[in-house]
Amino acid sequence: AQSVTQLGSHVSVSEGALVLLRCNYSSSVPPYLFWYVQYPNQGLQLLLKYTTGATLVKGINGFEAEFKKSETSFHLTKPSAHMSDAAEYFCAVSDYYSGNTPLVFGKGTRLSVIA
Amino acid sequence: DAGVIQSPRHEVTEMGQEVTLRCKPISGHNSLFWYRQTMMRGLELLIYFNNNVPIDDSGMPEDRFSAKMPNASFSTLKIQPSEPRDSAVYFCASSLTDTEAFFGQGTRLTVV
Repeated sequence: AQSVTQLGSHVSVSEGALVLLRCNYSSSVPPYLFWYVQYPNQGLQLLLKYTTGATLVKGINGFEAEFKKSETSFHLTKPSAHMSDAAEYFCAVSDYYSGNTPLVFGKGTRLSVIA
Repeated sequence: DAGVIQSPRHEVTEMGQEVTLRCKPISGHNSLFWYRQTMMRGLELLIYFNNNVPIDDSGMPEDRFSAKMPNASFSTLKIQPSEPRDSAVYFCASSLTDTEAFFGQGTRLTVV
């Protein structure tokens, strides 16, 4: 069975500071990994995804994540936080990259950005 | 495309009443997923369909919950009778093979 653990339900950073949101996964087969963002009263929007190939994945809004198999991690980073980054972020895993397979989500991390 | 469309956006109902949530997936997508989001449990998969056929409904919490997909452009999630513990945000998502899941804006259900 797959699972995702997001360390820290709430992260607070200053505007301009580094954003680091942590995600560890468990999967019995090579995983495919995703980060989604949810703004208040909105649905989930894909930030980035790892399927195969390059382990450093770049996404929208300046975010990137690195797949580290040895650490079973897929942490999300952004060099400089903006106020508009305040939202909830979800890490998700699936067994193989097929849109027909449901994702397993972590509990989410709420990011606050302080002016 | 307008994206995944869910209705209503908000629903307040009394305990014991029937509730029907609706979803229109993105045209051409062949998979549809229903998720429930709560503070305590996060995002949970309730049921998903491939090509209008239910594949896995093991996440449906009780017999009070049922879902249908009569055609490729419409799905419903019904709760009958509703209970206060069903209060949550219900999301519908759709996808194609080789694409990520696209989410609707959700239905916030409050059962009083």
